[in-house]
Amino acid sequence: GAGVSQSPRYKVAKRGQDVALRCDPISGHVSLFWYQQALGQGPEFLTYFQNEAQLDKSGLPSDRFFAERPEGSVSTLKIQRTQQEDSAVYLCASSLRRDRRYTGELFFGEGSRLTVL
Amino acid sequence: QQQVKQSPQSLIVQKGGIPIINCAYENTAFDYFPWYQQFPGKGPALLIAIRPDVSEKKEGRFTISFNKSAKQFSLHIMDSQPGDSATYFCAASPHTGTASKLTFGTGTRLQVTL
Repeated sequence: GAGVSQSPRYKVAKRGQDVALRCDPISGHVSLFWYQQALGQGPEFLTYFQNEAQLDKSGLPSDRFFAERPEGSVSTLKIQRTQQEDSAVYLCASSLRRDRRYTGELFFGEGSRLTVL
Repeated sequence: QQQVKQSPQSLIVQKGGIPIINCAYENTAFDYFPWYQQFPGKGPALLIAIRPDVSEKKEGRFTISFNKSAKQFSLHIMDSQPGDSATYFCAASPHTGTASKLTFGTGTRLQVTL
């Protein structure tokens, strides 16, 4: 597709369940970011990949959060033993084509809204 | 620790008015300052961005003013339209030539009335 695709768009989980959120970046983009956006707040950085390498995971709030991008394309954000405070929109963004100069622009998907009951 | 402070939280202007949104940053390593626009249910989209080697940048009806010594920057929307009603986020990052994480402000919800 032309843009960043995220699935599912909406996820309701019971407290304690594990969830997996998928991100399909723009084809050819080497950089991939995950952000968490709480209601009425700005996006907050979670983690960053360049190709398959996770270069920064300083924003992951706890060891219940895990992200991977094994082949340098699709990424999955996994949240284990979900808690109510995990309820938020999880945004994926990609950037930086291999053959072009980096402009600074991040291209965001529409997000996955997680509600933990 | 909020590294980018944004104000106001919300703003209502009439059609044709000029809303102004302000941001201040602390980290002197920041040297790339974009503004993102977000509509309900959508992801943020880049509107306009500036680097600190210039004090102002215009793209269409959108203008960024940048004050490096004060560590402040602002977004002005000329001749605002109802279609501009959205949430606006300022952001900042160090620009290293490769992708760098953005630090976002808390957002300003803009409503443009007829």
